[in-house]
Amino acid sequence: AQKITQTQPGMFVQEKEAVTLDCTYDTSDQSYGLFWYKQPSSGEMIFLIYQGSYDEQNATEGRYSLNFQKARKSANLVISASQLGDSAMYFCAMREGYDQGAQKLVFGQGTRLTINP
Amino acid sequence: DAGITQSPRHKVTETGTPVTLRCHQTENHRYMYWYRQDPGHGLRLIHYSYGVKDTDKGEVSDGYSVSRSKTEDFLLTLESATSSQTSVYFCASKPGGSPYEQYFGPGTRLTVT
Repeated sequence: AQKITQTQPGMFVQEKEAVTLDCTYDTSDQSYGLFWYKQPSSGEMIFLIYQGSYDEQNATEGRYSLNFQKARKSANLVISASQLGDSAMYFCAMREGYDQGAQKLVFGQGTRLTINP
Repeated sequence: DAGITQSPRHKVTETGTPVTLRCHQTENHRYMYWYRQDPGHGLRLIHYSYGVKDTDKGEVSDGYSVSRSKTEDFLLTLESATSSQTSVYFCASKPGGSPYEQYFGPGTRLTVT
């Protein structure tokens, strides 16, 4: 079974609009972490934001925020005021278990975001 | 950004030949990882290392082996390459004990003909 599901293969958004990228996860662990990475067309993986399962507040990093709804097992990425440079592939990933050291990540299939001028 | 390099960046090889990909990091990170990226699958963990000479399998380890003789180097070997191993391979590293992000290398595009 998929542990990380990203249901939007592609999204098209007008510049300056906010965009929400969906991510749902499946785990029976109480301790886990959720990550979002960005992959531009150049191919590198860029870390955006992290949310721990015990974090009480939603994580924020500049224009990025993570809408964490634990009961629904969702960890949606919100990008405010989108820019042309936000066009990229976005991956949601999860670390299961308390072993924060080894951090064996499971990735979703990704969402390709295109920002239109 | 963490200093992580991968070599080669591109490689074309024939079915049945051995291939070794190298990952080198200059951050003295304890953990290192190898992933493969294929369309429709995101990234999938092949092997990881939690210290020198300490490695373990990931989700898609069949057909791959790894070695780590020094903190800074993590090698991925395809003993006998197959066309199904055509992929983009990413290396990553992470400091010990940190719950936060892994730092990724630039990737290696491997084509097995």
